[in-house]
Amino acid sequence: QKEVEQDPGPLSVPEGAIVSLNCTYSNSAFQYFMWYRQYSRKGPELLMYTYSSGNKEDGRFTAQVDKSSKYISLFIRDSQPSDSATYLCAMSDLQGGKLIFGQGTELSVKP
Amino acid sequence: GAVVSQHPSRVICKSGTSVKIECRSLDFQATTMFWYRQFPKQSLMLMATSNEGSKATYEQGVEKDKFLINHASLTLSTLTVTSAHPEDSSFYICSARDASLAGGETQYFGPGTRLTVL
Repeated sequence: QKEVEQDPGPLSVPEGAIVSLNCTYSNSAFQYFMWYRQYSRKGPELLMYTYSSGNKEDGRFTAQVDKSSKYISLFIRDSQPSDSATYLCAMSDLQGGKLIFGQGTELSVKP
Repeated sequence: GAVVSQHPSRVICKSGTSVKIECRSLDFQATTMFWYRQFPKQSLMLMATSNEGSKATYEQGVEKDKFLINHASLTLSTLTVTSAHPEDSSFYICSARDASLAGGETQYFGPGTRLTVL
């Protein structure tokens, strides 16, 4: 069993839809949770960073962490075609420690 | 802020040659740099972690004599793929972090280097 599980998709939604992306994990020691966006043939770009449980909002993006369920989510409101990319969740048990990545979910937002 | 660059962005080489990839933090001092490789449609796999001025720590299964990492300064780390073979063809991505930054536990990624070995 992988430490971090993420549905690879692809996920296709119409413009303006609310997108929900999720990851589950098995290591209860994970405390730091991140979401990265990666466009084709580019490096990952940090979108959201969360420590421990709770919600964090930044513009159209909301990250949620439920440590009791070992489940994290990223919501994208009013999705745009420019949001089309692969979204990677990542997590770590130590501050500044090794990141464990999910497989990435490929998202396509259709105009 | 927190910009990481990589050079070259793309390289094609013959089997048996060595290739050096540079990773630079442009606006911060990177106390730690990480090297990843990524195959198509797959996630990032950590190869090694390097701290400035010390030897890199390699992940299990990564040959340290094949993938030489040097972190000689707080803004530069290099990855040299020695005696490259076609199976080394991949997307290599570095990341950097500075623990002194607010949120310094996060990693900032370079744009990646696509290596093709013929």
